[in-house]
Amino acid sequence: QKEVEQNSGPLSVPEGAIASLNCTYSDRGSQSFFWYRQYSGKSPELIMSIYSNGDKEDGRFTAQLNKASQYVSLLIRDSQPSDSATYLCAATGRDNYGQNFVFGPGTRLSVLP
Amino acid sequence: NAGVTQTPKFQVLKTGQSMTLQCAQDMNHNSMYWYRQDPGMGLRLIYYSASEGTTDKGEVPNGYNVSRLNKREFSLRLESAAPSQTSVYFCASSEDRTRETQYFGPGTRLLVL
Repeated sequence: QKEVEQNSGPLSVPEGAIASLNCTYSDRGSQSFFWYRQYSGKSPELIMSIYSNGDKEDGRFTAQLNKASQYVSLLIRDSQPSDSATYLCAATGRDNYGQNFVFGPGTRLSVLP
Repeated sequence: NAGVTQTPKFQVLKTGQSMTLQCAQDMNHNSMYWYRQDPGMGLRLIYYSASEGTTDKGEVPNGYNVSRLNKREFSLRLESAAPSQTSVYFCASSEDRTRETQYFGPGTRLLVL
């Protein structure tokens, strides 16, 4: 059973702080990793994708991948109240049937004004 | 571009009733997916269609059937609804199974009494 795990939260940070969201995955064959943001009552929207070890930056967001530790993180700098949402981590790998896309349960982030 | 659209937005069923959830995408994507999302469980894949004319089971297919009507449309059918199928259902699409970024529809909230 391939699994992606996240702390459910809520993670509370003050406005302007750095929010750090973490994710671990069980399938060593996973090759691609994604962070989605989901506002309450809305559908998930892609924030970042990362495929190689190291950091990938996009604006205030930085994704970090460590395949040896099977660990993915998302840092949000200068957190804003509008960042308050649930963040879903997803990992893909390949099996005999093609691609397997597995989501974690999500971490709820609350940015306090 | 509307992206991924789903109908209906909300539905109440009685146990044993049947219904079809509709999904359409206008991005010329080859692959389409149906997920359900339950509190604390994350997104779970019900069925997917890697390309027009093909469908495959995901993690939780029992109680559901799908039809890939054409490249644009992918429907999900509940033949005999059960309270355990109360959930939020999301349709998603991606360019193909090797380009993993998935784009989600707005979701259908289903309540089975």
